[in-house]
Amino acid sequence: QQQVKQSPQSLIVQKGGIPIINCAYENTAFDYFPWYQQFPGKGPALLIAIRPDVSEKKEGRFTISFNKSAKQFSLHIMDSQPGDSATYFCAASRYGQNFVFGPGTRLSVLP
Amino acid sequence: DGGITQSPKYLFRKEGQNVTLSCEQNLNHDAMYWYRQDPGQGLRLIYYSQIVNDFQKGDIAEGYSVSREKKESFPLTVTSAQKNPTAFYLCASSIGAFPSSGANVLTFGAGSRLTVL
Repeated sequence: QQQVKQSPQSLIVQKGGIPIINCAYENTAFDYFPWYQQFPGKGPALLIAIRPDVSEKKEGRFTISFNKSAKQFSLHIMDSQPGDSATYFCAASRYGQNFVFGPGTRLSVLP
Repeated sequence: DGGITQSPKYLFRKEGQNVTLSCEQNLNHDAMYWYRQDPGQGLRLIYYSQIVNDFQKGDIAEGYSVSREKKESFPLTVTSAQKNPTAFYLCASSIGAFPSSGANVLTFGAGSRLTVL
C-alpha cells in the first residue's frame, strides 16, 4: 500500500513535444504529491506539487493533473526543451512524513 | 547560500570497512533524512530524524547507522554489515513534521557516490 508506481521508465521526445509521465498510488491517506527533477550527479529538486483537493496545478510549462478517484496523477511538460532532459520522480507523503518515491522516468528531449 | 552539503562526493571502500558520509545543513531545518538511490529503484529511505538526539529507521536501515547530535548535522555510517553498499546516497532536510506545511518540502544535497572495491 505504500508503493508509488511510475511509468514510463524512459521517454524520448522532440523539442516542443509534450512528454507525459504517469504515477499511481494505493494509500488513500496520502495528502501531498510532489514531482522532483534530478540532473545527472545532482540531488533531486522540487519541481511542482499538488494536494488532492485540486485536479490540476500549473507552474510555467509544468502541469500536474490529479485524479483522486483513480488514485493517479501525471506530469505534463509543455513545449519541452533539451534542458528539460533529466530524471523525474513522483512522490507521495502523509503529514509531511514518510515520503514514498516512484522509480523515476528518464526523459530525453532531442534538439 | 542556504543548503545541504554532502561530503565526500565520491568514496571508495574496501570490503569489511565502515565509512561515514557527512551531511550538514544551514537551513535551520528540524528534520533530516538519508536516502539510497539505485538505478531504476527510485529513492529508498534509510533513516530519518525529526529532532536532535532522536532518529528512526526507514525502509532499508539494516547495515547503516546514524547520529543526530547537532541540528545541523546528520552523518550516515555504512557498516561492513551492509551487503551491497555501492549506491548513490542522498541527504535531505525539511522544516519539520506535521502540522507545518513546510514539512512537505524536501531539500536535497548533491549526493555522495559510494563504490565498494
